[in-house]
Order: sequence, then structure tokens, then C-alpha cells
Amino acid sequence: ETGVTQSPTHLIKTRGQQVTLRCSSQSGHNTVSWYQQALGQGPQFIFQYYREEENGRGNFPPRFSGLQFPNYSSELNVNALELDDSALYLCASSLAGGWAKINGYTFGSGTRLTVV
Amino acid sequence: GDSVTQMEGPVTLSEEAFLTINCTYTATGYPSLFWYVQYPGEGLQLLLKATKADDKGSNKGFEATYRKETTSFHLEKGSVQVSDSAVYFCALSVVNYGGSQGNLIFGKGTKLSVKP
Repeated sequence: ETGVTQSPTHLIKTRGQQVTLRCSSQSGHNTVSWYQQALGQGPQFIFQYYREEENGRGNFPPRFSGLQFPNYSSELNVNALELDDSALYLCASSLAGGWAKINGYTFGSGTRLTVV
Repeated sequence: GDSVTQMEGPVTLSEEAFLTINCTYTATGYPSLFWYVQYPGEGLQLLLKATKADDKGSNKGFEATYRKETTSFHLEKGSVQVSDSAVYFCALSVVNYGGSQGNLIFGKGTKLSVKP
């Protein structure tokens, strides 16, 4: 059973650029969530995808967008990067239907994004 | 809205000392509660969970009891080891109306350092 894998592990971008982060969910998991973890803070929920559609969103602007593919993998896209977007971006997968409420989510190791 | 408040660190203990990290929550509905651990440079790992009042989650010597009357989920370990040095996050998840799983809401994290 493979876990959640994210790529790339580290990334440096310039303010104003666009970035795409990728996530492969744990085998068998059909729901993917993305979180932003600023330095020294707890993760903040960005959005969740289920059946290739957004299924809940946190307090993040529209320049944060995502996709989920038929194989349940997912992308997080951020346009017009700002310095405050520098953070660890975590992907988490689970099964739908309240499963995660009982079993929790499986997290990847994250992508460290630095905006300069 | 739903929220988690946990004891801020850093916490520094000697090996074999007793550990308590306090966590309280505010939630509508009936949340599940989790403790996640983050080792340096890594993503989050589920440490333990509890899904209803009076449940006790336990793993690797760590324990936490879901106390509805005090809205708390304090993490404890009787004898810490150097290898327990990490950041610990308390989190909750509430199932949305209609049964779809809610996202995780995290506390800010508590950094634990254990000295030999």
C-alpha cells in the first residue's frame, strides 16, 4: 500500500508567477484535501476534492485552484504568487462518506514553496 | 466557528519525564478529535484519535481522552524518549450536513524537545 506522494519537494518561485503542485493519493483513497502550513503554524484547510469536483473550501482567494483526476490524483495551482504564499503545502487523502471523521487523513510529506 | 486551542510551546523535558500537552476545542455538532505528530522536515502522521465522548485514543505510549464536559483532548505520555521530539498538533473534524466529511481544523502546534 503506497502512501500519499507529493511533488516537487521544494520549489522557489518569484512573486507574480504561477505554480502547480502535485499529489498522488494513497491507494484506494478517493478524496484529496490540500492544506497550507505557514512556518510555526498549524495547517490551514485550502480545499477538498471528491469525484473530480471541489467539495469544500477554506478561506483562500480564487487564485488558489485545484483539480482532481480520474485516478484520484490532484493538483494545486496558485496564480499571481505573493510572498505570504511561502509555506509547506500538504496533501491529505481519505475515503469519502465520513470515513475520515473516524479514521483521519493520510498526509504526504509536503511541498516547501518559497516565494521571493 | 469551530476551533482548536492548544498549549503553546516549546516544551522541553528530560528523558523519562511525564508529558501533558493541553488541547481544548469549540465545535458545533459532534467532532472527532485527533493528535497528529510532525517530525522535522516531514508531513503529518496520525498519532491517535477518538470519535465520541469518553473514548480514549492511544498509540506508542501516548494517550488522550475525549472529554465532552470540558471540551478537552489532552495528550499524555508517562515517560518520554528523545525520539518523541517533534511538533504535536491537536485537530478536530466534523461531518458536514448530508454526511460529507469535514476538513480538519488544527491547533497551532506544540514543539516538544526531549533531552537525554
